[in-house]
Amino acid sequence: GEDVEQSLFLSVREGDSSVINCTYTDSSSTYLYWYKQEPGAGLQLLTYIFSNMDMKQDQRLTVLLNKKDKHLSLRIADTQTGDSAIYFCAESIGDYKLSFGAGTTVTVRA
Amino acid sequence: NAGVTQTPKFRILKIGQSMTLQCAQDMNHNYMYWYRQDPGMGLKLIYYSVGAGITDKGEVPNGYNVSRSTTEDFPLRLELAAPSQTSVYFCASSLEGRDEKLFFGSGTQLSVL
Repeated sequence: GEDVEQSLFLSVREGDSSVINCTYTDSSSTYLYWYKQEPGAGLQLLTYIFSNMDMKQDQRLTVLLNKKDKHLSLRIADTQTGDSAIYFCAESIGDYKLSFGAGTTVTVRA
Repeated sequence: NAGVTQTPKFRILKIGQSMTLQCAQDMNHNYMYWYRQDPGMGLKLIYYSVGAGITDKGEVPNGYNVSRSTTEDFPLRLELAAPSQTSVYFCASSLEGRDEKLFFGSGTQLSVL
């Protein structure tokens, strides 16, 4: 199957860490991605991880991959108001196609 | 570079009308895609192209057509608009396809009434 699932909403206090979770189904996915969508804008690639990696860190972002459970997470340290957005998990399902989750709306409260 | 440019940003159509959503990229990308985004759902692939003159169907192609006469442009055509086509449409491109790092346009919000 090609279903990517993620929770729809997350509320976090400014300065705390955010953790967004995702499960995917295609064990042959080469890459897994996190895209960010701000209001009224298109999606922007935030980070990605190659399937043979367990973890990737990029400044405030940490991606964890558990291939056995087909579970992907994105941790945002020191969450800021500018991190309020919709975050999409995506898996590669072929040479040039992605399957996206429904998106997690992250709201950062003061 | 402008990246991926979509026009128009908003459009209201009556049932049965036709229109073309324009998409252009100036990054010399080979791969281009059309997605639709419905509330509470992930993006669904409508059509994609791996190069000029080559197009193929995605998950939800019914009611749409595309063409790719140049590397830069990838228009999406709706022939007989239906309320089910009310959605936000995104065009995207990538250089090689295999690494699937997509660059997205800002979207077209379409309402069919």
